[in-house]
Amino acid sequence: EAGVTQFPSHSVIEKGQTVTLRCDPISGHDNLYWYRRVMGKEIKFLLHFVKESKQDESGMPNNRFLAERTGGTYSTLKVQPAELEDSGVYFCASSQGAFSYEQYFGPGTRLTVT
Amino acid sequence: TQLLEQSPQFLSIQEGENLTVYCNSSSVFSSLQWYRQEPGEGPVLLVTVVTGGEVKKLKRLTFQFGDARKDSSLHITAAQPGDTGLYLCAGAGGGGADGLTFGKGTHLIIQP
Repeated sequence: EAGVTQFPSHSVIEKGQTVTLRCDPISGHDNLYWYRRVMGKEIKFLLHFVKESKQDESGMPNNRFLAERTGGTYSTLKVQPAELEDSGVYFCASSQGAFSYEQYFGPGTRLTVT
Repeated sequence: TQLLEQSPQFLSIQEGENLTVYCNSSSVFSSLQWYRQEPGEGPVLLVTVVTGGEVKKLKRLTFQFGDARKDSSLHITAAQPGDTGLYLCAGAGGGGADGLTFGKGTHLIIQP
């Protein structure tokens, strides 16, 4: 069974540009999560999809971040326009059902904004 | 806001020694998970504990969830160089599939 995959693995962009991160969850997993780790800090929750619906987006930093999960399969996280403080590693995770505690993480996308 | 305090942040010990990593909070969690992360990779789930007082063993690793479900510990017996890595605890506040609150992690180095 394929794990959670993320693309790209690395992205370097200039301040003001736009970047789109993609996550493909484990097949059949209804729950999809985005997290972010900035240097020196803990991994922080951004948002949670159940199928195609946003269940909880309380961790999204501001309206420069837009997450979508069309058709309840893969998800994208767009940052527009990017700021220096958006640099970090963005992780995607998925879990199976409504009462599933166990989340499986992808390898992350390292975003550097210069 | 729920917080998880993980300690120690860094630990370097000799092969064969025992160690314990702690994860503490003032908040109650419905479940607590331990992950291990290697450089350049995502966290890999080791174990999930759900019931207060629960103890789970994974070979030389023993995980415990506090009775009040506010804290957890990871104990490694006879540590080996292959145990080297970043260990993370993460808690879910509500029931089931909520987003996780992570501790900052413990960087563990086992010297041969």
